[in-house]
Amino acid sequence: EVQLVESGGGLVQPGRSLRLSCTDSGFSFDEYAINWVRQAPGRGLEWVGFIRSKAYGGTTGYAASVRGRFTISRDDSKSIAYLQMNNLKTEDTAIYYCTRDYVHNWAFDYWGQGTLVTVSS
Amino acid sequence: QSALTQPASVSGSPGQSITISCTGSSSDVGNYNLVSWYQQYPGQVPKLMIYEVTKRPSGVSNRFSGSKSGNTASLTISGLQADDESDYYCCSYAGTRSFVLFGGGTKLTVL
Repeated sequence: EVQLVESGGGLVQPGRSLRLSCTDSGFSFDEYAINWVRQAPGRGLEWVGFIRSKAYGGTTGYAASVRGRFTISRDDSKSIAYLQMNNLKTEDTAIYYCTRDYVHNWAFDYWGQGTLVTVSS
Repeated sequence: QSALTQPASVSGSPGQSITISCTGSSSDVGNYNLVSWYQQYPGQVPKLMIYEVTKRPSGVSNRFSGSKSGNTASLTISGLQADDESDYYCCSYAGTRSFVLFGGGTKLTVL
């Protein structure tokens, strides 16, 4: 059973950094792409970025709003993916979800419970 | 690139059918058969309901169906039930510059 679990959220000041983690207690972590999706309080879903599986090149991509500040990586040996967030802004305040894209078709079939990131002074 | 456009709200009575539209452009919805739909109850995690425009994941009721015409995708829910009342989001692949776009979400009310 796939079970994605995010961690690392919290309160951080503008301009600081935070690293989120996403672990999967199931199997086949190395086979699928991971996408991060966020949701600001009371707002809609916003795609943040992705990392493909190694079989698909392990490439990454980001939304324009975070490009150059956020970096996604993965360590398949530990079944963990990371979202490194630098130079955080107040508008980055949101619940951050880790999602699975098993067949690399841009559909997210499993979601973690999310971790709240609050950027405030 | 802007988010996909969805109506803010739709409503219907039990047993009826409703359709939620999702309008994009020839760079996203119109160019790829990679539209998905998500259901999200308040305070809950989104759930995948439709992928690749028309496909349903295992376990999703066949009352939910997806379609696309030109730059507009649609989610239809037939035989509306009280527990269909939720927020619905569309999502589309948008190429190698923007990658993924979400719609703004539609609140479905079952009267």
